[in-house]
Amino acid sequence: QKEVEQDPGPLSVPEGAIVSLNCTYSNSAFQYFMWYRQYSRKGPELLMYTYSSGNKEDGRFTAQVDKSSKYISLFIRDSQPSDSATYLCAMKVQGAQKLVFGQGTRLTINP
Amino acid sequence: GAVVSQHPSRVICKSGTSVKIECRSLDFQATTMFWYRQFPKKSLMLMATSNEGSKATYEQGVEKDKFLINHASLTLSTLTVTSAHPEDSSFYICSASRATGYNSPLHFGNGTRLTVT
Repeated sequence: QKEVEQDPGPLSVPEGAIVSLNCTYSNSAFQYFMWYRQYSRKGPELLMYTYSSGNKEDGRFTAQVDKSSKYISLFIRDSQPSDSATYLCAMKVQGAQKLVFGQGTRLTINP
Repeated sequence: GAVVSQHPSRVICKSGTSVKIECRSLDFQATTMFWYRQFPKKSLMLMATSNEGSKATYEQGVEKDKFLINHASLTLSTLTVTSAHPEDSSFYICSASRATGYNSPLHFGNGTRLTVT
């Protein structure tokens, strides 16, 4: 079993829809959780960075962490074609710099 | 704006030659940088941790003599792919943490696409 599981998709939704992206993990020591967006042939761009459980909102993006269920989510409201990309979840333990990545979910927003 | 700059963005080289990729932290000092490799439609695979002023730490299965890492200054790390072969063709990405301490997020460069012919 991988430490971090993420459905690779592809996921295709119409413009304006609410998108839900998810990752599950097995290591209860993970404390820091990140979502990165990666456009084709580009490096990952940090979208959200959260510590422990709870919600964090930034514009159209909301990150949720449920440590009891070992489950994290990224919600995108009012999705736009420019949101089409691969979304990677990543996490790490306290005091470590190495990130453990999910496989990434390919998302397409159709106009 | 970008906090990590990577150069070149794309390089094509002949089999047997060496290629150097640069990773720079912009307006901040990075004592540690990371080098990743990414295959098409796959996630990032950590290759090595680059430490300023000391030897890099390589992940299991990564040949340190093939992938030479130098972190000579607090803003620059280089990855040299020596005697490149077609199987080394891949997308290489570096990353660095903007702030000191281990609980800061990593920022990534825009990657280098290496094609070995």
